[in-house]
Amino acid sequence: QVQLQESGPGLVKPSQTLSLTCTVSGGSISSGSYYWSWIRQPAGKGLEWIGRIYTSGSTNYNPSLKSRVTISVDTSKNQFSLKLSSVTAADTAVYYCAVSYSGWYVFDYWGQGTLVTVSS
Amino acid sequence: QSALTQPASVSGSPGQSITISCTGTSSDVGSYNLVSWYQQHPGKAPKLMIYEVSKRPSGVSNRFSGSKSGNTASLTISGLQAEDEADYYCCSYAGSSHVVFGGGTKLTVL
Repeated sequence: QVQLQESGPGLVKPSQTLSLTCTVSGGSISSGSYYWSWIRQPAGKGLEWIGRIYTSGSTNYNPSLKSRVTISVDTSKNQFSLKLSSVTAADTAVYYCAVSYSGWYVFDYWGQGTLVTVSS
Repeated sequence: QSALTQPASVSGSPGQSITISCTGTSSDVGSYNLVSWYQQHPGKAPKLMIYEVSKRPSGVSNRFSGSKSGNTASLTISGLQAEDEADYYCCSYAGSSHVVFGGGTKLTVL
């Protein structure tokens, strides 16, 4: 069973770019027809899908975040990454990475999540 | 792209059955049999419980079942147990390669 682990700064200043990495272990990120997603959850609130990347590198983003989001993959490091630009306090959340095996619209396994706070 | 509508909370006693609804529109839940459900305990990552409306991943108890009628999907938990107390989220394909989540339902086992 694949395992995912998010990493990155826990504190980001307003207007800067949030950058997170998800490291995949227990399997190759480039094997199989899998999708790799980022999902976030503000404290006490629901889940919000941010976007996904396919093994080939093709991406899809949540329309509400599309102008600020970039998801990329580094197969040599078995990692995929999230960049969210021009952050505000509203971007403060726990960020999860997840993998889709059963269909790209299904999030089969999740990382443990990492809290990112946007504050000066 | 609006969030799917779920009741804020539901409750039940051990051994009972409960149902959590997830209401969307004809553009998401109503158009695709691509609804999934996730269980989230406090401080933990969500766990996939149901996908494609009614399919259970390997390892998920058969006490969990899913269904859909029109624009509303439902998650039923039978034989309620203390460990089922958690937040539950539905998720649906919404067309154009996007998905949308519900606002979440807190299940309390009395």
